[in-house]
Amino acid sequence: EIVLTQSPATLSLSPGERATLSCRASQSVSSHLVWYQHKPGQAPRLLIYDASNRATGIPARFSGSGSGTDFTLTISSLEPEDFAVYYCQHRSNWPPGATFGPGTKVDIK
Amino acid sequence: QVQLQESGPGLVKPSQTLSLTCSVSGGSITSGGYYWTWIRQHPGKGLEWIGYIYYSGSTYYNPSLKSRITISIDTSKNQFSLKLSSVTAADTAVYYCAREHGGLHYWGQGTLVTVSS
Repeated sequence: EIVLTQSPATLSLSPGERATLSCRASQSVSSHLVWYQHKPGQAPRLLIYDASNRATGIPARFSGSGSGTDFTLTISSLEPEDFAVYYCQHRSNWPPGATFGPGTKVDIK
Repeated sequence: QVQLQESGPGLVKPSQTLSLTCSVSGGSITSGGYYWTWIRQHPGKGLEWIGYIYYSGSTYYNPSLKSRITISIDTSKNQFSLKLSSVTAADTAVYYCAREHGGLHYWGQGTLVTVSS
């Protein structure tokens, strides 16, 4: 079973600053890594799929990179609406299943 | 635009079976390539993948919940369902349904299920 680790647990930043979030897999997941944004009371929103592809409608300030075991989500300049919890996720074809990381909370400094 | 909506009791007694339905609109549940998925979030915690069903009926479950889960699909109603048996307070969570294809692109709004007597 693949385990995802996210760091830091909390990131305190100001609007306009750059956010760099990390997701590490316990073994290679190739590029099969997805990032979500989750705000209280809302459904999670898919930001990045296949490690680096922005989903439809996602602003260009969000970017993803990495492959194998180490992945990064970067928010180039934080907007007020970006303060949320961010999860990485891997879905395995075999054995079938999916795993979420524990999340990184981006809060206002 | 695909939309998903969870429905079911918000309160379930311990030892009973939690039953939720996800209604899909804006697209057919039999469209190939999609995995119809259940996820939950315990209060104050992260996301937990419960399992999914393919349109063909194939299912895959979280090993930690496998003995208690059944996910089924009703193509005539464009719905899929979750049953979780022998619930305890530890199953109290917001339950989400979602459509997966290289990622969970579409989600329901989530429904809070509380397990309490």
